[in-house]
Amino acid sequence: AQKVTQAQTEISVVEKEDVTLDCVYETRDTTYYLFWYKQPPSGELVFLIRRNSFDEQNEISGRYSWNFQKSTSSFNFTITASQVVDSAVYFCALRGNNNDMRFGAGTRLTVKP
Amino acid sequence: GAGVSQTPSNKVTEKGKYVELRCDPISGHTALYWYRQSLGQGPEFLIYFQGTGAADDSGLPNDRFFAVRPEGSVSTLKIQRTERGDSAVYLCASSPGLAGGYEQYFGPGTRLTVT
Repeated sequence: AQKVTQAQTEISVVEKEDVTLDCVYETRDTTYYLFWYKQPPSGELVFLIRRNSFDEQNEISGRYSWNFQKSTSSFNFTITASQVVDSAVYFCALRGNNNDMRFGAGTRLTVKP
Repeated sequence: GAGVSQTPSNKVTEKGKYVELRCDPISGHTALYWYRQSLGQGPEFLIYFQGTGAADDSGLPNDRFFAVRPEGSVSTLKIQRTERGDSAVYLCASSPGLAGGYEQYFGPGTRLTVT
């Protein structure tokens, strides 16, 4: 069975702090894809990043960075120098051989000015 | 270009009624997905289509739920004999293909409230 766990339900930080959102997944597939989506208050899910199971290279995009470690089945997301506009619910998701996407329960991030 | 659109944005219906929710995917996207998102939860997979056929409907909760995509573009999610537990936001997503690496582009959702 495929499963995504986001243990942090809510995180609150002050602007300019760094914050890491945790994601742990379970799958028996050898080929799979991991995703992060952002859901701002407007409600529409916004794609942030995709990673395939054969590429463990970490990625940085501006203030965002992702750390993928197959050894611990984790795909963590770090926001550096957080801003108020980063406030949203962030979802980690897993897609395996059967093509359906499994989402975690999400982490609500609040960035206070 | 235009993104995924869903209509209506909000739907309030009485228990026992029939509802239809519509999804217009991004033009040219062959894969289309339906999800249900309850308050405080992540999206839950319902069904996906490749072209006109339902490739996987294992997420549909019961036989009151049905979805079609007759021409391989617009899709309709149909719920019969609605129950209060069906209240949720129904999300539609599309992608250029079914391959696992494609990201899915989500619509704004339809908020369904069953009274």
